[in-house]
Parts: sequence; C-alpha cells; structure tokens
Amino acid sequence: GQQVMQIPQYQHVQEGEDFTTYCNSSTTLSNIQWYKQRPGGHPVFLIQLVKSGEVKKQKRLTFQFGEAKKNSSLHITATQTTDVGTYFCAGPWRGANSKLTFGKGITLSVRP
Amino acid sequence: DTAVSQTPKYLVTQMGNDKSIKCEQNLGHDTMYWYKQDSKKFLKIMFSYNNKELIINETVPNRFSPKSPDKAHLNLHINSLELGDSAVYFCASSQGGRRADGELFFGEGSRLTVL
Repeated sequence: GQQVMQIPQYQHVQEGEDFTTYCNSSTTLSNIQWYKQRPGGHPVFLIQLVKSGEVKKQKRLTFQFGEAKKNSSLHITATQTTDVGTYFCAGPWRGANSKLTFGKGITLSVRP
Repeated sequence: DTAVSQTPKYLVTQMGNDKSIKCEQNLGHDTMYWYKQDSKKFLKIMFSYNNKELIINETVPNRFSPKSPDKAHLNLHINSLELGDSAVYFCASSQGGRRADGELFFGEGSRLTVL
C-alpha cells in the first residue's frame, strides 16, 4: 500500500540555523498536508499543497510540492526555539475510501 | 470554544478492564476519526465515520468499538484492555467527507495507560 515516508526521525539544530526535511511517497499524491505537534500537544494543521511544483510560505516556513507530486519539503529559515516539535506530512491513500496516511514525523530540537 | 474536545484526557487502568473515550466536535464537520499515537509518535488511523456511517475500519482488534450517535460525536469503547493498548488516542474531524483532502482538526488527545 501507499506510504508517505519521512527520514530521519530526529534532527537537532542550533538556533539560527536553517532546517529542511523531506517527505516522499511511493505513488502520486492528489495533495499533501503538513502538521506540527508540539511536545505534549496535538497535531495542528500547517498547510495543504495541491498543485505540482506548488510553493507556499508561512513566515519562516516554506513548503514545496514536487513536480511529480510524489515528494514534498518543509524548510525553516533561522530556526527558533519555538519551532521545536514533530512535523508530520500526510497524504491521501487512494483506496475505496480515501484516508489520510501520516508519515512517521521528524522531531526537531533546537539548541539555544 | 474548543473545536474538538475529548474526555477524559488521562486514563490509567488495569489490564482486562473496559474503558470509553468520548469525542465531540462543534465545527459542523461531516467526518470524524480516531487515531492512535504510540510511544514513537506514529499516528495510525483506526476508524473514520462520515455522517454516522463507518467508512474506514483499519485492522484494529474487535475489542475496539466506535460509536457515532450523531455526526458531532464519535466515541471509542475498548474492552479487555491490554498493555499494548497504552497510547495517546486522538479524535479528529474534517469537512472532507469520504475524500481525504480536508484539513484535520485534532482534539487534545486522551492518554491511556494500561497497567
């Protein structure tokens, strides 16, 4: 079945450094979503990308959908301690009833 | 106002007991979900209901029984709890209907610990 994959599961950066993480799918996705979960919190929707090659920005966060709609990236410029948390990508699985399949997430820690 | 609320937030119980978690959403969404998040933070869908109709039932033991009395509520009952059931259970809702292209709104989670 389709999976969305996120590797590695953990990344540590120094405050002020840039951070990029990737999400890859074995099949073409109709859309991809990104969520952030703060420690002890619940996943919160960040963005949805639909079009091939689409790029969206939210302040220091830049999201991109690949041209083939099989991968996506999240780039954070000049990380801050408020960026700590786990970032999940999620894509719909094309079955009889579409469901959102989450990657395993990448947990970002930021050293002040 | 909390959009998706679930109770209780914490559950500590013995193996073999039965427990329920309740979820309510006030967003007017048609679809509700239960996700299980294990200790490695992997989010796995368990069930999905669209307008009270079960549309997704993953390979979950039949000790887990969801119930949706109306489209704003989705409860989860677990029989004969096992150690491996310890996890955080998230309720979520979306306006996406049967298509997984709508933003998910998650509740704050219910942390279940089975001793």
